[in-house]
Amino acid sequence: GAVVSQHPSRVICKSGTSVKIECRSLDFQATTMFWYRQFPKQSLMLMATSNEGSKATYEQGVEKDKFLINHASLTLSTLTVTSAHPEDSSFYICSARKGAGFSSDTQYFGPGTRLTVL
Amino acid sequence: AQTVTQSQPEMSVQEAETVTLSCTYDTSESDYYLFWYKQPPSRQMILVIRQEAYKQQNATENRFSVNFQKAAKSFSLKISDSQLGDAAMYFCAYRLDNTDKLIFGTGTRLQVFP
Repeated sequence: GAVVSQHPSRVICKSGTSVKIECRSLDFQATTMFWYRQFPKQSLMLMATSNEGSKATYEQGVEKDKFLINHASLTLSTLTVTSAHPEDSSFYICSARKGAGFSSDTQYFGPGTRLTVL
Repeated sequence: AQTVTQSQPEMSVQEAETVTLSCTYDTSESDYYLFWYKQPPSRQMILVIRQEAYKQQNATENRFSVNFQKAAKSFSLKISDSQLGDAAMYFCAYRLDNTDKLIFGTGTRLQVFP
């Protein structure tokens, strides 16, 4: 199998606080994980690519100091939304690449985390 | 820049019937991959089917098949014998070979009526 989990599934926080979201590959090692953001009734937009043991690569327009990504092990990547504001409220989805190279790549997605900032 | 377009925001189909979801994309590259993902109400993205651009044969997975027209840059998904559990958002996605980035279309909401 290829199962990816996310925790928490839902989080509500106050404006100005930081929130950490975990993404785990449960039955495979993932050297590369991805973080997406999905606004209501919209598509998924890639925020950043997370590589184990190195710095994440952020997409244009994504603030790396606001969305901190850590990929400390082959099964865990974390996304921390720092000083969250209401406009950060969204659905955050991670995925993990199973496979050693791009051609064998299939991305398996986590169930997502609903973030609401009050 | 590569783009993916799904021109049907919503589609509906009767149970046991067949429905086709459209997807077009724009790229100047020749080596890439195309995907259809399903997002049910649980929001869990599930890979439905995948097509390598270098393959002429259309991919099939049980009741799901694609019509891949490379020259027309079209990649439609056909769902045969539709089931109630097929109701979901369906996203078409593109990935250039030797890259990681998936580019998604805006999605098509499929309703299945009994």
